Amino acid sequence: QKEVEQDPGPLSVPEGAIVSLNCTYSNSAFQYFMWYRQYSRKGPELLMYTYSSGNKEDGRFTAQVDKSSKYISLFIRDSQPSDSATYLCAMSPPNSKLTFGKGITLSVRP
Amino acid sequence: GAGVSQSPSNKVTEKGKDVELRCDPISGHTALYWYRQSLGQGLEFLIYFQGNSAPDKSGLPSDRFSAERTGGSVSTLTIQRTQQEDSAVYLCASSLALFFQNEQYFGPGTRLTVT
Repeated sequence: QKEVEQDPGPLSVPEGAIVSLNCTYSNSAFQYFMWYRQYSRKGPELLMYTYSSGNKEDGRFTAQVDKSSKYISLFIRDSQPSDSATYLCAMSPPNSKLTFGKGITLSVRP
Repeated sequence: GAGVSQSPSNKVTEKGKDVELRCDPISGHTALYWYRQSLGQGLEFLIYFQGNSAPDKSGLPSDRFSAERTGGSVSTLTIQRTQQEDSAVYLCASSLALFFQNEQYFGPGTRLTVT
């Protein structure tokens, strides 16, 4: 079992839809949880960052961490064509390297 | 300010040749990281530097891979005797301090194709 599992998709939704992206993990030492967005031919950019469990909201984006289930989610409300990108989850224990999911490609249709 | 830059942006090389990939981190960032992104494989951690020191080289795929960082700034990833399986996008990131996870900034990557 890989340390971080992410449904590879791809995922296609109409503009305005609510998008739910998820990752599961096996390492109980993970404390830091991130979501990165990567546009084609660009490097990843940090979208959301959460420490330990709970929710975090930033505009149309909400990140959730459920450490008891080892499950993290990213919700995108009122999705826009500009949200079309690859989304990667990443996580780490304290003071250690990040482990990434494989990423899921999202396409938002106008 | 300037972000992380990488060069070249694209590199096509013949199997068996050596290649050098360069990363110029954000000024003042003491930590630097190299990753490899292969199609369908996500980001694979290769090596990190704290200043000029790389304490853990275990993420490098084989002894054909090496990296160095001089002057606490620019880093070079060298792949000797390239193989087709080395074809991937090589990404560099930097942060103010080591494993400062919420402030790891990525460059655009070098797309390496080995023919």
